[in-house]
Amino acid sequence: SQQGEEDPQALSIQEGENATMNCSYKTSINNLQWYRQNSGRGLVHLILIRSNEREKHSGRLRVTLDTSKKSSSLLITASRAADTASYFCATGTRLQGAQKLVFGQGTRLTINP
Amino acid sequence: NAGVMQNPRHLVRRRGQEARLRCSPMKGHSHVYWYRQLPEEGLKFMVYLQKENIIDESGMPKERFSAEFPKEGPSILRIQQVVRGDSAAYFCASSGQGAYNSPLHFGNGTRLTVT
Repeated sequence: SQQGEEDPQALSIQEGENATMNCSYKTSINNLQWYRQNSGRGLVHLILIRSNEREKHSGRLRVTLDTSKKSSSLLITASRAADTASYFCATGTRLQGAQKLVFGQGTRLTINP
Repeated sequence: NAGVMQNPRHLVRRRGQEARLRCSPMKGHSHVYWYRQLPEEGLKFMVYLQKENIIDESGMPKERFSAEFPKEGPSILRIQQVVRGDSAAYFCASSGQGAYNSPLHFGNGTRLTVT
């Protein structure tokens, strides 16, 4: 069964506004990762936050992690039309020297010019 | 420095035929993962392999599906006697040794259509 549940399923905002996507999960994790997928393409890694971290930044991206609530959020500031894509959270758990990533259903983000 | 290479990009098979999907991981990566994605859905884990070993195949159907990652050559996901419900995008990802806190690197997928 899927670990991550994302909210909202779809989000449409105006260019320049901020976009916030949320992810909840059920079990203990090693890390939580956010990926982006453009239509017809593979997933591109955006940011990884470890279970002992609470917040991480990368450019216009800000990710928070609350392990007590088993939830994470991805904030994209000053959105651009090129940010239109699907965004997925994935929970990472350790598995024999590597990790198993379980993905949520994703949020489809549309940025209107 | 080539990324994860998957081929073919598109594959059309009639019901009952076999589909073979190939994945070459990033150079130096010894861990390969296969995921399946239905339209408008997230990725569902199928199988995790290291060289010559299947580590976790809990997401792979017991019948008709098999995966391998030989010592030499790409990883292969094989679907025998395909049915319409197998139509999906199949993504491969790779990671390096000890990469339990590292991102996965994904290929662009193989889109399988069963007619």
